[in-house]
Amino acid sequence: EAQVTQNPRYLITVTGKKLTVTCSQNMNHEYMSWYRQDPGLGLRQIYYSMNVEVTDKGDVPEGYKVSRKEKRNFPLILESPSPNQTSLYFCASSLLRGSSTEAFFGQGTRLTVV
Amino acid sequence: GEDVEQSLFLSVREGDSSVINCTYTDSSSTYLYWYKQEPGAGLQLLTYIFSNMDMKQDQRLTVLLNKKDKHLSLRIADTQTGDSAIYFCAVPFSGGYQKVTFGTGTKLQVIP
Repeated sequence: EAQVTQNPRYLITVTGKKLTVTCSQNMNHEYMSWYRQDPGLGLRQIYYSMNVEVTDKGDVPEGYKVSRKEKRNFPLILESPSPNQTSLYFCASSLLRGSSTEAFFGQGTRLTVV
Repeated sequence: GEDVEQSLFLSVREGDSSVINCTYTDSSSTYLYWYKQEPGAGLQLLTYIFSNMDMKQDQRLTVLLNKKDKHLSLRIADTQTGDSAIYFCAVPFSGGYQKVTFGTGTKLQVIP
């Protein structure tokens, strides 16, 4: 089954404690991306990757890091989480070229930083 | 970058039509998308329209695109309780797919 898998689904952590949210896709997609969803703000792109070892900033990259060492995985790293990073996070993947390709989303990770 | 606006909330009665609107600023997008997010789930592609089309119909869904006014709409005919969800329009920036900008999302509530 084609899918994007994020882990964990729910996470409560304390300020400053490094954490990683994993994302894996089984569709051999070149393009992967992280978004955060906040009430009234919609989805905002954090980082994206167009292929292995190719990553770039989205609209709200501050406080986040990513890596793309393998095509299927695109982890999101918060080196020193702060309460303003409390949000619902989504990973997505798609084929790269600008056709009408569908973006597949993970189920989301709800992060609370206290 | 792209600016994509939607109203936050829409309430309709079951059986009525729903119209969800979206305005955007970048006119170079090749495709424009509608996604649906059901409670507790990620987004799923609902439909899309190519930028050289004015209208696309897919069963109960009708997408209208007014390029001059940079206005996109999604009409759901005979709205059902299962249509209750958040609907996002998504506009790729500068014709590519890399930096897709999503609207704020419209929460559709269907009243039985």
